[in-house]
Amino acid sequence: GQQVMQIPQYQHVQEGEDFTTYCNSSTTLSNIQWYKQRPGGHPVFLIQLVKSGEVKKQKRLTFQFGEAKKNSSLHITATQTTDVGTYFCAGPLAGTASKLTFGTGTRLQVTL
Amino acid sequence: GAVVSQHPSRVICKSGTSVKIECRSLDFQATTMFWYRQFPKKSLMLMATSNEGSKATYEQGVEKDKFLINHASLTLSTLTVTSAHPEDSSFYICSARGQGASNSPLHFGNGTRLTVT
Repeated sequence: GQQVMQIPQYQHVQEGEDFTTYCNSSTTLSNIQWYKQRPGGHPVFLIQLVKSGEVKKQKRLTFQFGEAKKNSSLHITATQTTDVGTYFCAGPLAGTASKLTFGTGTRLQVTL
Repeated sequence: GAVVSQHPSRVICKSGTSVKIECRSLDFQATTMFWYRQFPKKSLMLMATSNEGSKATYEQGVEKDKFLINHASLTLSTLTVTSAHPEDSSFYICSARGQGASNSPLHFGNGTRLTVT
């Protein structure tokens, strides 16, 4: 079945260091979405990428959608303690347009 | 905009009892709502799709008689965990998509942490 994997599973950085999470799907995705879930909270939408090779930036966050539309990445420059949380990529469940399947997630810990 | 309210946020119940979780879209109409389940430090698993005015569709491996879903209006979907057992203890989160594109972002409720003793 369809699998959406993320690496690393967990990363601990010091404030100011950069962070990247990689998302890989076993199937081609029509679009990919990224969500952030703070500890004890619920997922919050960050961004959606649709085009092959698309790159979008939100302040210190840079999102990229692979040329083959099977992978994506999220890069955070100069992390801050407010970046703590789990980052999930999500794409349409195979054979559907509206159902989202979530990646395995990358948990980010940032310490001073 | 696009606020989803979920209630209760936390519930403890005894084995064998049923628990109802409500999911409301506060400032938009949600023709479709999705129910996810999340185990500690794990990803979100789609359980079912709730469609206003029609039967819910369940993902493979999810017992429809165990997890009853009702979507009676454009702003309310409910998930009832029937005859709960300790293994049903989990974080249940609903999400909603408005009447926009089928691939538009999901708006999540705050989640319900269910503990079955």
